[in-house]
Amino acid sequence: QSVLTQPPSVSGAPGQRVTISCTGSSSNIGAVYDVHWYQHLPGRAPTVLIYGNNNRPSGVPDRFSGSKSGTSASLAITGLQAEDEADYYCQSYDSNLSGSVVFGGGTKLTVL
Amino acid sequence: QVQLQESGPGLVKPSETLSLTCTLSGASISGYYWSWIRLSPGEGLEWIGRVYTSGITHYNPSLKSRVTISVDRSKNQFSLKLTSVTAADTALYYCARGGGGGYFDSWGRGTLVAVSS
Repeated sequence: QSVLTQPPSVSGAPGQRVTISCTGSSSNIGAVYDVHWYQHLPGRAPTVLIYGNNNRPSGVPDRFSGSKSGTSASLAITGLQAEDEADYYCQSYDSNLSGSVVFGGGTKLTVL
Repeated sequence: QVQLQESGPGLVKPSETLSLTCTLSGASISGYYWSWIRLSPGEGLEWIGRVYTSGITHYNPSLKSRVTISVDRSKNQFSLKLTSVTAADTALYYCARGGGGGYFDSWGRGTLVAVSS
């Protein structure tokens, strides 16, 4: 059971917008900790999509955006493309676990 | 641009010790946090623990009793030992830079470790 809760799957047609939620608590997302998002393509290493809640590393398209409010965070993907089909994970830290890293359970995005 | 490469046995017997090494190239191991993360079949990512280049460690409480992570600055490597393994430890193991308060900005390609007799 992951500390951060994500929907197991989301889907959308090419060109559409999808959002992936990441729900935590007052000891992680609702505390001082930032939320980061990773894209994991099969057979590849995960790569960071969003860091510090809403920042994109260079090279990540602006179709990807992140937000955080209270004890939850969201990843939004606009203009969905076939190559966006992947697993997405949120990550933060948890003060109840002595500042350990915590991940969401992952969300499988299917592009219809 | 730092590159990370995991290495170690792909098969470990139950009750034995899983040992993996992560070798860095393109950057020094100094001044960063380094972590081990695993992805189990049908599960999500699980953080195992981290080491700072000073050797200070921090482990996932759920694995703490079985985990040791160490750093070898002379070889630009850090290592993972997980004792008393069971089938539940079968996973794709990644090494990554980060885990000390921020995000993981570089990852290895991962190495699959199966626990089986």
